[in-house]
Amino acid sequence: AQKITQTQPGMFVQEKEAVTLDCTYDTSDPSYGLFWYKQPSSGEMIFLIYQGSYDQQNATEGRYSLNFQKARKSANLVISASQLGDSAMYFCAMREGKRRGSTLGRLYFGRGTQLTVWP
Amino acid sequence: DARVTQTPRHKVTEMGQEVTMRCQPILGHNTVFWYRQTMMQGLELLAYFRNRAPLDDSGMPKDRFSAEMPDATLATLKIQPSEPRDSAVYFCASVSGFNEQFFGPGTRLTVL
Repeated sequence: AQKITQTQPGMFVQEKEAVTLDCTYDTSDPSYGLFWYKQPSSGEMIFLIYQGSYDQQNATEGRYSLNFQKARKSANLVISASQLGDSAMYFCAMREGKRRGSTLGRLYFGRGTQLTVWP
Repeated sequence: DARVTQTPRHKVTEMGQEVTMRCQPILGHNTVFWYRQTMMQGLELLAYFRNRAPLDDSGMPKDRFSAEMPDATLATLKIQPSEPRDSAVYFCASVSGFNEQFFGPGTRLTVL
């Protein structure tokens, strides 16, 4: 079974609008972390936001927020006030089994969602 | 501004040749990961090290790939002999104490 599922191969949003990128995950481990990365056309992988399985509140980082619904095993990324520079591939990832602060643990990545922001 | 560095950024080689990719993790990061990205397979974990010791290399084809970390500032990924199906972008990442993996810029490998 896929650990991370991103069902939207592509998404389009108009500049200044908000957009939600979907991510569902599969794990039986009670301790896990969820990550979002951005990969622009230049190819680099840029860390955006992190949510721990025990975190009580949804993570936010500037215009990025993570809509964490633990019972549904979803960790959707919300980008508010989209900008042209947000056009990129977005990857959801999960680390199992270790609490925040540990340096062990591989990441499982989804296949990504290509976001296009149009003027 | 601490970054993961990778060399070379681009490599074109002929089938059968040896390829060595290098990664310098962020100073103080003790866990280093190697990933491969292709259109067909997406991002795949090849191997990772903690404190220079290999933790998991199950994602790596053992017959031709090898990964080492000769010291805390250098990780290497070697392919010998290379094949066209190895063409991909190879990323190195290192981990901070807050669990975000910081990625290098990648090595784009083309095997003809």
